[in-house]
Amino acid sequence: TQLLEQSPQFLSIQEGENLTVYCNSSSVFSSLQWYRQEPGEGPVLLVTVVTGGEVKKLKRLTFQFGDARKDSSLHITAAQPGDTGLYLCAATWGYALNFGKGTSLLVTP
Amino acid sequence: GAVVSQHPSWVICKSGTSVKIECRSLDFQATTMFWYRQFPKQSLMLMATSNEGSKATYEQGVEKDKFLINHASLTLSTLTVTSAHPEDSSFYICSAPSGGGDTQYFGPGTRLTVL
Repeated sequence: TQLLEQSPQFLSIQEGENLTVYCNSSSVFSSLQWYRQEPGEGPVLLVTVVTGGEVKKLKRLTFQFGDARKDSSLHITAAQPGDTGLYLCAATWGYALNFGKGTSLLVTP
Repeated sequence: GAVVSQHPSWVICKSGTSVKIECRSLDFQATTMFWYRQFPKQSLMLMATSNEGSKATYEQGVEKDKFLINHASLTLSTLTVTSAHPEDSSFYICSAPSGGGDTQYFGPGTRLTVL
């Protein structure tokens, strides 16, 4: 059973387009994290959201935590080729961090 | 921020041999470290929790006799893949929590290829 469901699994868009990635669960979390991973490297933390309804912005990236703290979204405005990578949502379950399956994003010039 | 290193960054070995991967927290102490495995085009899957001073905790389906974990000190955990087979080829990543809370710092990963 997958604790965190991410969608879409793959996304290929052109430079300048907007996109949204979703992370859903039936469980309530005290916090949820978003990571970005490039091939051959470890994941890098982008943001942690902790409050239901919270919205955080990181340049062109906007992260939202659902009111019920069961879901989150990542919105990228005017995507650039440098945004290409694997985006992972993660949440602590028990004692360890569990990851969604990830969204592989390709932004072409 | 906190830094976690892994060594080696990549390794190629013959089937049947054992390979040791090191995970170090460079500027903080970690009583707990986590080991993940990631297959191509897939997400990170937790393998085990490395505990300083006690035995590692393995996730369901992970063979503890095949993946030996030793938390040698407060800054070092090692993962040894024993009698490696081609299906063990994967990207192995470690992480360590720092500063309390849910924040985990990840190593750069080790690419294992078993021929």
